[in-house]
Amino acid sequence: KAGVTQTPRYLIKTRGQQVTLSCSPISGHRSVSWYQQTPGQGLQFLFEYFSETQRNKGNFPGRFSGRQFSNSRSEMNVSTLELGDSALYLCASRPDRGARTSGRPETQYFGPGTRLLVL
Amino acid sequence: GQSLEQPSEVTAVEGAIVQINCTYQTSGFYGLSWYQQHDGGAPTFLSYNALDGLEETGRFSSFLSRSDSYGYLLLQELQMKDSASYFCAATANTGGFKTIFGAGTRLFVKA
Repeated sequence: KAGVTQTPRYLIKTRGQQVTLSCSPISGHRSVSWYQQTPGQGLQFLFEYFSETQRNKGNFPGRFSGRQFSNSRSEMNVSTLELGDSALYLCASRPDRGARTSGRPETQYFGPGTRLLVL
Repeated sequence: GQSLEQPSEVTAVEGAIVQINCTYQTSGFYGLSWYQQHDGGAPTFLSYNALDGLEETGRFSSFLSRSDSYGYLLLQELQMKDSASYFCAATANTGGFKTIFGAGTRLFVKA
């Protein structure tokens, strides 16, 4: 079974621009979560989508948004980029609770991340 | 609020045992997970505790005490390849499962 994939892997943008990152979860996983990782800050939760609905949201400004499509693929968008948005953006999918797919819903499977550099 | 605390760095020698502690304050707490992340890599799942007690998976064990809001990851027979960052993560049920990560513990294994 293919793992979580993210595109692009690397991105360089300038302040004020916007960016869209893409994530394809493991087949059969409907939950996709997004995290921002910066040195020394661990993984900061951005939001979680399940069946095209945002189910949970972290403490990020409205410039950070996301969506999920009917095939469970998810995108996140950051508008009006700031220097502080430079980070590794990770997405993770998890099995459904009660699903017959292997794995527990508490287990998240991470993609390789998109490294964003804002100049 | 939701927060987890873990040491920022731990150093140990090859073959030794190391324990990484994690305390949490999480409303709707459901369980505690541990993830490993090597430099340049993605976090990978190691262990999960929903109930009090010890879970053993090979050289790695994880412990949880819900009454103390405390858990730890125990790594035995340390190998150089265990040098990585280790994150504890609390899963909370807030109308949907939400996972909050600690800032991570950098483990250095020395020969």
